[in-house]
Amino acid sequence: AQSVTQPDARVTVSEGASLQLRCKYSYSGTPYLFWYVQYPRQGLQLLLKYYSGDPVVQGVNGFEAEFIKSNSSFHLRKASVHWSDSAVYFCAVSASTGNYKYVFGAGTRLKVIA
Amino acid sequence: AQTIHQWPVAEIKAVGSPLSLGCTIKGKSSPNLYWYWQATGGTLQQLFYSITVGQVESVVQLNLSASRPKDDQFILSTEKLLLSHSGFYLCAWSLSQGTGQLYFGEGSKLTVL
Repeated sequence: AQSVTQPDARVTVSEGASLQLRCKYSYSGTPYLFWYVQYPRQGLQLLLKYYSGDPVVQGVNGFEAEFIKSNSSFHLRKASVHWSDSAVYFCAVSASTGNYKYVFGAGTRLKVIA
Repeated sequence: AQTIHQWPVAEIKAVGSPLSLGCTIKGKSSPNLYWYWQATGGTLQQLFYSITVGQVESVVQLNLSASRPKDDQFILSTEKLLLSHSGFYLCAWSLSQGTGQLYFGEGSKLTVL
């Protein structure tokens, strides 16, 4: 069974600073990895996804993530954050074969301050 | 374009009362459908999924049930609400089996008193 750990419940960064949100997954096979963002009282929106190929994937709004298989990690990064990036970010993993189960991490609440 | 609509947006219900939440997907045939529950400030817990009309699989038991009466409709219900049912319920769809991204609705907020 797959699992996801997001070790940072809350992260505060200054506007214009760089960002890294951590995600580690556990899955014995080839994982499908996702980062989603959730704004207050809304559903989740996909930022980016990784299946295979280049381990650095680009997403929307300047976000990117790097898949490091040896470390079972899929950290999310952004070079310069904006106040509008304040939200909750979820990392998720699903299995690669015949499995309809998507497992989400606990989420990281990002606060961008002036 | 595909759209996903959840209803109601919010409900306040009494313990022991029945509940029905709905989700409709337009613009996509035969989607895989999912129900997730999110405690306030918490992560998402997958409750059910359905890959075809009339067929629903349970992922976790929370005294809830789900049905898929039409290809584009997914219903979450219970006859007796518990306090622990409070939270945010999210419906989602995908095309591929567990490998495609999930597309989420706007959610239904449930408060059980």
